Parts: sequence; C-alpha cells; structure tokens
Amino acid sequence: DIVLTQSPDSLAVSLGERATVNCKSSQSVLYSPINKNYLAWYQQKPGQAPKLLIYWASTRESGVPDRFSGRGSGTDFTLTISNLQAEDVAVYYCHQYYSPPLTFGGGTKVEIK
Amino acid sequence: QVQLMQSGAEVKMPGASVRVSCKASGYTFTSFHMHWVRQAPGQGLEWMGVINPSGGSTTYAENLQGRVIMTRDTSTSTVYMELSSLRSEDTAVFYCARGMTGTIYFDYWGQGTLVTVSS
Repeated sequence: DIVLTQSPDSLAVSLGERATVNCKSSQSVLYSPINKNYLAWYQQKPGQAPKLLIYWASTRESGVPDRFSGRGSGTDFTLTISNLQAEDVAVYYCHQYYSPPLTFGGGTKVEIK
Repeated sequence: QVQLMQSGAEVKMPGASVRVSCKASGYTFTSFHMHWVRQAPGQGLEWMGVINPSGGSTTYAENLQGRVIMTRDTSTSTVYMELSSLRSEDTAVFYCARGMTGTIYFDYWGQGTLVTVSS
C-alpha cells in the first residue's frame, strides 16, 4: 500500500499569511507515460464532507479560490494557502489515486493564530 | 447539479449488519464510479472500495474483504454499501464519493451517514 505522510499535524497561521502543508508518499505517484501525478488535496471543515481542492497535484478544481495551490512531483507534494482567510480553517488531506487501495494522508489541521 | 443523498444515521448492535444508501442525481449514473470512504470519530479518511454502476463490478479494500458488499440499482440511481459483523471499531461516518474511474480523485461527496455500533 502507498503510505502518505503529512506534516505538520497542525499549524496556526495569522490572517493574510501563508500556510504550507506537506505530503510525502512512500512511493512515486507519477505515471510517466502521461506525466501526471495521481495526487489530490481535500479540505474538510467540522461536520462537513471533504471538498476537492486540487487534483493531478496542481490542477485547481472549478470554483476553488486561487489562493489555494498545489505543487510537487513523484513523492513530495505541497499545498499552499496564500493570504489565509478565516473560512480556510479546516483539516486538509492529501490523497493518492495511483493504485488501489486508494489512501489518504493523516490530515493537517490549519488554524488561525 | 450533482447531488449524492445518503440515508440517515443508524445505531447497531455488535455483530449486526448495516446498509447505507447513496442516491445520485444530476448526472448520468452509469458514467461514474462510486467509492465509499469512512471516517472514525476524530480520525482520518479510509477508502473502503468502489463500485462501477455500469456493470456492477466492485473492488474492496483488503481489510474489509468478506464483510463489505457494494451494490447498485440503476433504476433508482442508488448505490448501497452493506457492512456485516459490525464491531465497535466500525463506528464511523460513511461517505459515498463520485469518481470518473476506479482509481481517480473524488469530485462530489455525499453528506455522510453516521453508523454507531454499541451494545
């Protein structure tokens, strides 16, 4: 199974500042023939279902604010929230869909400092 | 608009079975796979398996093999997840989530169904 390790477990960032969440995969999720990384990011607010933010490691889902961005390739990925807003308080999960069983990172809780 | 509407909360005794439904609307039901993901209280997300509504084929997580069955009813655009031999560790919120294929990201999620296993 592919294990995704997120860091940090939690972080507190001031409003308007940048939050960075890391996700490291136990094996590459890059499918070289099409040069795509099979990695997504979700946001989950308390009491709600997860919401898709980013797929193919860096493609923003329609309607997601452009302060959310994803980057990385192979085994190391980053989700960046620029200009943090109060409504961004949530737990963020990375997710690999390269091979079954599909797996998720343990989550990173983002709070306001 | 795409909607995934799940059945309501359940309370079950240990050893019992539970069936959760997920009714899809707003898109062609047989064109997308449906995955199931569970989340124990205060914990992360765990993928349970996937069903292809077009032909009914399924893939289950290895740790749930023999206890989980996913089915679909194309006449009502509904998928079902049945989990048997319930134990306290199965207490969780269960989500259905749509994906284009069996190995893909999830673009729409149901609202979740809380299943509590308690004596």
